[in-house]
Amino acid sequence: DTEVTQTPKHLVMGMTNKKSLKCEQHMGHRAMYWYKQKAKKPPELMFVYSYEKLSINESVPSRFSPECPNSSLLNLHLHALQPEDSALYLCASSRTSGSGLWETQYFGPGTRLLVL
Amino acid sequence: GEDVEQSLFLSVREGDSSVINCTYTDSSSTYLYWYKQEPGAGLQLLTYIFSNMDMKQDQRLTVLLNKKDKHLSLRIADTQTGDSAIYFCAEIMNYGGSQGNLIFGKGTKLSVKP
Repeated sequence: DTEVTQTPKHLVMGMTNKKSLKCEQHMGHRAMYWYKQKAKKPPELMFVYSYEKLSINESVPSRFSPECPNSSLLNLHLHALQPEDSALYLCASSRTSGSGLWETQYFGPGTRLLVL
Repeated sequence: GEDVEQSLFLSVREGDSSVINCTYTDSSSTYLYWYKQEPGAGLQLLTYIFSNMDMKQDQRLTVLLNKKDKHLSLRIADTQTGDSAIYFCAEIMNYGGSQGNLIFGKGTKLSVKP
């Protein structure tokens, strides 16, 4: 099983709303990632959690707040977003090899977000 | 710097072979990947190759790796209309604070004509 699930599939929100994106995997992976993908562009890394601790934050605005409540779940809390934040948000997970190297990332289907 | 280069478009006829090329920069990358993205969908891991290999074949897919030239290619045999998608080449960074990060190319849009 190499499945990463994400909910919701689509989300429309206003600039004053608070919403959350959810991601789940049951592959025993200990690294989980959030990416943002704009149309016709490659994914851009936002956050990395390693063993449930935030290890990388790629200078993402504070209106995006990640949370990793346990090793299977990853959330992205959204507050006061701007229209330019409209994009496909992808979650991924990976395991680590015995030598501490992170391995293949498996992606979820994404949440398509529209901010009005 | 960290840069993965791909051509942006490729058009082939159904039944022909497709070859998508990629150049990468980090010679310490342990794995190199090909991801497929259909319209409106997430990224599907298509195949990958370990850096100590020259070639990997998986059904219609053949990956060739030239480490000297830092060149990766994906060949799809007997291309079908269902293969129409964007194909991303990616390398994995395995050093320093970027450990585990994927560096993506801009993606090659493959169009398959019937």
